[in-house]
Amino acid sequence: GAGVSQSPRYKVAKRGQDVALRCDPISGHVSLFWYQQALGQGPEFLTYFQNEAQLDKSGLPSDRFFAERPEGSVSTLKIQRTQQEDSAVYLCASKPGGGYGYTFGSGTRLTVV
Amino acid sequence: EDKVVQSPLSLVVHEGDTVTLNCSYEVTNFRSLLWYKQEKKAPTFLFMLTSSGIEKKSGRLSSILDKKELFSILNITATQTGDSAVYLCAVEASGAGSYQLTFGKGTKLSVIP
Repeated sequence: GAGVSQSPRYKVAKRGQDVALRCDPISGHVSLFWYQQALGQGPEFLTYFQNEAQLDKSGLPSDRFFAERPEGSVSTLKIQRTQQEDSAVYLCASKPGGGYGYTFGSGTRLTVV
Repeated sequence: EDKVVQSPLSLVVHEGDTVTLNCSYEVTNFRSLLWYKQEKKAPTFLFMLTSSGIEKKSGRLSSILDKKELFSILNITATQTGDSAVYLCAVEASGAGSYQLTFGKGTKLSVIP
């Protein structure tokens, strides 16, 4: 596609509910990243994929967070048993293999009530 | 741990003023420094700098990197109300097959008529 597409744009979840956030990267981009941005803060790294391989998941805050990219294109970030501190904007970015340019999606704003 | 510090955290100026935003960093395996403008959710790319001392320029915006002193500045001349946004500085590091962007907290710029 022309850009990085994320869905849904907004998600309200009750505490304890599971959520799944989708990222559709630019076609052909090898690398895909997830970031979490709390209100008033810069984005913080969650995880990185190269094709279908998850090469770095050091930023995932707990084992309630899980990401996958099974066919090396679309990625899903899943949060189990959501808690209020999970409320944030979740940004996805992709870039060509070895290239420098990161393109960000518009993000999913998750609110846990 | 990689670290990016931006200053000031917020700034209010009048239209026509010139502003300088600062970004200092401590990163292992530096690859590039990037500036983004964030108005709503998706950070939009402004500049990428990899070489020290070379100014990048785009219209009223310019940026320069000092790899010896580990900082970068973003200048905006003749500011307009449309420049109001959060400006994010990010540093890319590479290592062990992974890339990671570390962001600062951002500078919130408000341009008043």
